[in-house]
Amino acid sequence: DTAVSQTPKYLVTQMGNDKSIKCEQNLGHDTMYWYKQDSKKFLKIMFSYNNKELIINETVPNRFSPKSPDKAHLNLHINSLELGDSAVYFCASSQGFQETQYFGPGTRLLVL
Amino acid sequence: AQTVTQSQPEMSVQEAETVTLSCTYDTSESDYYLFWYKQPPSRQMILVIRQEAYKQQNATENRFSVNFQKAAKSFSLKISDSQLGDAAMYFCAYRSAVGSGGGADGLTFGKGTHLIIQP
Repeated sequence: DTAVSQTPKYLVTQMGNDKSIKCEQNLGHDTMYWYKQDSKKFLKIMFSYNNKELIINETVPNRFSPKSPDKAHLNLHINSLELGDSAVYFCASSQGFQETQYFGPGTRLLVL
Repeated sequence: AQTVTQSQPEMSVQEAETVTLSCTYDTSESDYYLFWYKQPPSRQMILVIRQEAYKQQNATENRFSVNFQKAAKSFSLKISDSQLGDAAMYFCAYRSAVGSGGGADGLTFGKGTHLIIQP
């Protein structure tokens, strides 16, 4: 059983389009996160959700919006995609903020 | 804000030998967590080891151990008996125990060390 899953694994799209990346965890965790890994492999937190409430929101453009339909899901919506949005996006989850975060397999987004 | 520094962009070690990856961090907090994650070419982020700052004993997981020096704000990872499967990017990460807002916080990562295993 996959603990944290993301779909799709690869996403190629044109500038200006709107896209979504889905994340699901079956670990029963109450906190989920989105990270961005750039072309130099640097990982940076984007969002975290705890019990359906946004806890932190790093300095990301408001074109990015996380949406959590329930505790097991945290989807990432991106509007008006730009070339600089090309990256690998990772979802993660943990049971409370003190516990270890477990990562999904990542979604490689390429904006042309 | 916390920062994590990994000063070795790349390290190389012979199979079966021991290698140590360096990590330093900067924080004004006294309670926090430190992690090492491994990212092989498959790009999956895999937890290697975790250390709570309030614990003096260094964490160990099989061939992986850390040298946690709280006063020096240093958290190095030692890999013993290196194997070909250890080849990967290794990321050091910090997480506040206090958090922000409602209490949740993300990981602050270093820039990573690319570990090469020579057969």
